[in-house]
Order: sequence, then C-alpha cells, then structure tokens
Amino acid sequence: QVQLQESGPGLVKPSETLSLTCTVSGGSISNSYWTWIRQPAGKGLEWIGRIHTSGSTNYNPSLQSRITMSIDTSKIQFSLRLSSVTAADTAVYYCARGYRMAAVGTTSYYYYGMDVWGQGTTVTVSS
Amino acid sequence: DIQMTQSPSSLSASAGDRVTITCRASQSISTYLNWYQQKPGRAPKLLIYGASSLQSGVPSRFSGSGSGTDFTLTISSLQPEDFATYYCQHSYTTPRTFGQGTNLEIK
Repeated sequence: QVQLQESGPGLVKPSETLSLTCTVSGGSISNSYWTWIRQPAGKGLEWIGRIHTSGSTNYNPSLQSRITMSIDTSKIQFSLRLSSVTAADTAVYYCARGYRMAAVGTTSYYYYGMDVWGQGTTVTVSS
Repeated sequence: DIQMTQSPSSLSASAGDRVTITCRASQSISTYLNWYQQKPGRAPKLLIYGASSLQSGVPSRFSGSGSGTDFTLTISSLQPEDFATYYCQHSYTTPRTFGQGTNLEIK
C-alpha cells in the first residue's frame, strides 16, 4: 500500500527557508492531491496547501506569500518550501495524500479525504 | 475561509459509553466533511469522509451524520483504543480547515 515519508532539516534559522520533501512508495503519485499539514506542539492541525499530480496548487491564504510546492513525478516526490520562517513556524509537518473516494453505497458522489499520512517530521525554528 | 467549530473541546467518558462529538461549519458545506482520529505522537487517521462514509478498515462503532452546517461523529460503544483527539475537516473548498479538536479522555 502507499506510504509517505517526510524528510528535511529538523532545525531552521529564523528568516531562512524551510524545505521538506515527501517520498511516496508502494504506489503511484498520479491522480491525487499531495498535501502538507502542520501541527504546533500541543495544538491543532493547520492545512498548509496541496499540489496535484498535474502541478496545480492550492495554498492556505494565511501562508500563501511564503509557500512554494513542487512535485517530481519521476522521483515520486513532492516538496514544500516555506520562506522567511519565524518561531511561529515551529511544528510537526505532515505530508498526506488527498484521495478521491466514492461515497459508500453509491458511485454518484465523490469526496476527497486525506487517507494516507506520513509519520510527521518536527521542524524547529531557532537561531 | 470556512471556520469549523467542534464541541466539546474535551470529553471524559468510560469504556462502553456512547459518545457524540459535534462539528459546525461557518457556512453550508453540503456533506463535504471528514473526521480524523489522532493519538499522541501519531499522524491523524481518516475515519469518516463525505459526512457519513466509513473509511475502509474503520470499526463500525464509528458513524457520522449531518449536512449543511451541522455534523456529528458518534462512537457507539467506546473501546480503550478510542481515547484520542478527534478533528473534523471540511473538503468543500480550499483552504481545507480543521476544527480545533476534541480530546476524548478516560473517565
């Protein structure tokens, strides 16, 4: 089955750029939305944004000016870059697959849910 | 952005209890509502999508209902492994916002 693994530096200095990669294994990267979510320690989940296999992106407006997402279908990887980081960007960062699923009992309605997640990687912003 | 509000924020219950968690959207989202379970130190797990469709492999004691702005997640008979934090999330538009979470604790 599909598995995801985040990788990248665990420590980033303030004002620098956070770069993370998510590697997909056990399946295809096609026809899905590949998503980044983060979670500060002890707090809730924040949707950062997503990239489709086609390369189209949707970003959280609260972070949009600082985010770049990319996808490399040959390497079966997708990436997140978050610029000008501050301590407020310290969090566990998750990658996940946004997958289109039929409603149970029908093929008339489809929904997207994040059905596969990486284990998460902790990123600390500190000098 | 669509705001998602869960209640209660925390809940104490015993094994065998029936519990219900509520999620309210700031505007109508039809049935574009997902529920996730997260245990400490672990990634969230998809339980319910489309407001009421049970994700493959999820026990049938979990169920979801609702449409429009009001949704519920029900666990019919709590098992020890169900004590966790639960999040709702809409999939109506982007950004895909989450509720603030409901921490389900052992009484």
